[in-house]
Amino acid sequence: QSALTQPASVSGSPGQSITISCTGTSSDVGNYNFVSWYQQHPGKAPKLLIYDVNNRPSGVSHRFSGSKSGNTASLTISVLQAEDEADYYCSSNTLDVFGTGTKVTVL
Amino acid sequence: QLQESGPGLVKPSETLSLTCTVSGGSISSSSYYWGWIRQPPGKGLEWIGTMSYSGTNYKNVSLKSRVTISVHTSKMQFSLQLTSVTAADTAVYYCARTVEYSMSRSDFEIWGQGMMVTVSS
Repeated sequence: QSALTQPASVSGSPGQSITISCTGTSSDVGNYNFVSWYQQHPGKAPKLLIYDVNNRPSGVSHRFSGSKSGNTASLTISVLQAEDEADYYCSSNTLDVFGTGTKVTVL
Repeated sequence: QLQESGPGLVKPSETLSLTCTVSGGSISSSSYYWGWIRQPPGKGLEWIGTMSYSGTNYKNVSLKSRVTISVHTSKMQFSLQLTSVTAADTAVYYCARTVEYSMSRSDFEIWGQGMMVTVSS
């Protein structure tokens, strides 16, 4: 199984928007709408932010949104806040793997 | 709603056994999948396996031969057994439940707090 590729780090200032990419292949991300995104703060369990590419579970802020183009899925965080500083992981059920993870820093 | 339990220290070559106790819902509901995920210290998440309410298992190919996931409906628990452990199996182990009527089996909405398991003699 190959991991999904994410940038190691992304940063932004409060109020800005940032986008995290998750690159797979035409056999997984590109062919199925089964991409999820998780947020993990240090020492805490992951939290599901997005599933099935662009669905938000109840209670998740509308500042988090997901999309997909070709073999790459993306998570956008709008109006960046200090509390958004965390690690973010994508996943695809076709591979049953998680992405390599992205550390988001709020400047 | 989910709580992991089991030994925090396992000797090399032995079997790691963890239990996840479910509260506030039914483990036998056909609406959900139940899974195990782990995270080695300082590293990323690794999916171990997922189980349906009927006991059908989906496992990480790299761990498949060593993993058993079972459901114990009357106790509202599901369990993980990982055989022949090595230091590389040292990690925080999480149990989790998918969103309702999950299409992907990988959208884990509810997570346990996680349990650190160390493999060492």
